[in-house]
Amino acid sequence: EVKLVESGGGLVQPGGSLRLSCATSGFTFTDYYMSWVRQPPGKALEWLGFIRNKANGYTTEYSASVKGRFTISRDNSQSILYLQMNTLRAEDSATYYCARDRGQGGMDYWGQGTSVTVSS
Amino acid sequence: DIVLTQSPASLAVSLGQRATISCRASESVEYYGTSLMQWYQQKPGQPPKLLIYAASNVESGVPARFSGSGSGTDFSLNIHPVEEDDIAMYFCQQSRKVPLTFGAGTKLELK
Repeated sequence: EVKLVESGGGLVQPGGSLRLSCATSGFTFTDYYMSWVRQPPGKALEWLGFIRNKANGYTTEYSASVKGRFTISRDNSQSILYLQMNTLRAEDSATYYCARDRGQGGMDYWGQGTSVTVSS
Repeated sequence: DIVLTQSPASLAVSLGQRATISCRASESVEYYGTSLMQWYQQKPGQPPKLLIYAASNVESGVPARFSGSGSGTDFSLNIHPVEEDDIAMYFCQQSRKVPLTFGAGTKLELK
């Protein structure tokens, strides 16, 4: 059974940092791209970035809104995905999801999400 | 960036009727003959669920009343017959170019 479980969310002050984790199981982690997507309350989904699979050298891509502030990485030995978030702003407040990304085939498995609130 | 415009923003349908949701891309999402457009369903408090990938392929486990069509820049999600369990938000998403983008969503409601 494929599982993705996010953790690490919480309340952080503006300008602060947070690292989210996504523990995965039930599939060969290195075969897949992995994406981070966020959703402010009552709003649309926003893709933040992904990290490619082993065949594509684990390279990363980011949306303009987080490039330079957020970093996606993966621990392939433990099948964990990370999102390091720096210089956080109020507008970064959202539920953050990790998702298994089949590339051209869409994001087929998602975690339940972890909530991040940026406020003083 | 490829902008996805969904319509309508909300749709009220009767049980057993057909629901059609549209998604228009600001540029073609074709890639070597495949339309890189997906559809997701999201219920309150839950993560999105993949329904349709590559425009018309129904994801495993998704009921056959869901179907997708379209190519180039114009795509549709059809649900027929609508059941109570289908009341949710629906989002389109393109994977043709980075950054991946989502539509603003369509809220499906009961009439």
